[in-house]
Amino acid sequence: DIQMTQSPSTLSASVGDRVTITCRASQTISSWLAWYQQKPGKAPKLLIYKASSLESGVPSRFSGSGSGTEFTLTISSLQPDDFATYYCQQYDSYSPYTFGQGTKVEIK
Amino acid sequence: QLQLQESGPGLVKPSETLSLTCTVSGGSISSSGYYWDWIRQPPGKGLEWIGSIYYSGTTYYNPSLKSRVTIFVDTSKNQFSLKVSSVTAADTAVYYCARRRSSWSPFDYWGQGTLVTVSS
Repeated sequence: DIQMTQSPSTLSASVGDRVTITCRASQTISSWLAWYQQKPGKAPKLLIYKASSLESGVPSRFSGSGSGTEFTLTISSLQPDDFATYYCQQYDSYSPYTFGQGTKVEIK
Repeated sequence: QLQLQESGPGLVKPSETLSLTCTVSGGSISSSGYYWDWIRQPPGKGLEWIGSIYYSGTTYYNPSLKSRVTIFVDTSKNQFSLKVSSVTAADTAVYYCARRRSSWSPFDYWGQGTLVTVSS
């Protein structure tokens, strides 16, 4: 299986902060990486696909970058609605599909 | 607007079979190119992909669960279903159904999820 490792596990930030979350894959996955946002009691919501493509309807303050084994999700100016848990997911192959362990963005 | 809705028992006894159905509305499960998946999340933990099915019936399973999992589709009812046999407490989780736009896509539509507890 391809292991996905996110850092940090928890992040404390204030409204307006620039926030960066890192995701590393245990082997190269080209750009087959997605980012999701999950709020308590809700299903994950797709934010970014193919490492850097913004899903329709997602605010432009979210951006993704990277390829190969190292990827980042950036929120340019953190908004109150952005406090949530974020997951990366590789879909390089049915190897199987795997997710990172999650990064919780908390209010500082 | 596409909607997915999971349904099934919320409590299953150990060693029995967990059965869930996902009903798709606002679109056809037989639409070419789309894949239909099951993902689960134990309480307070991360996400685990269970498996996937194409409307033709082709399936893909997580090797860690493959011996206990069956996914099948009923195109006449616009539904797909999950069975997990010989369940234990480790199978307690919120189970989500989801859609992928193609075989090389992430999960773009999700159901709201349903909690299944394995307990006697």
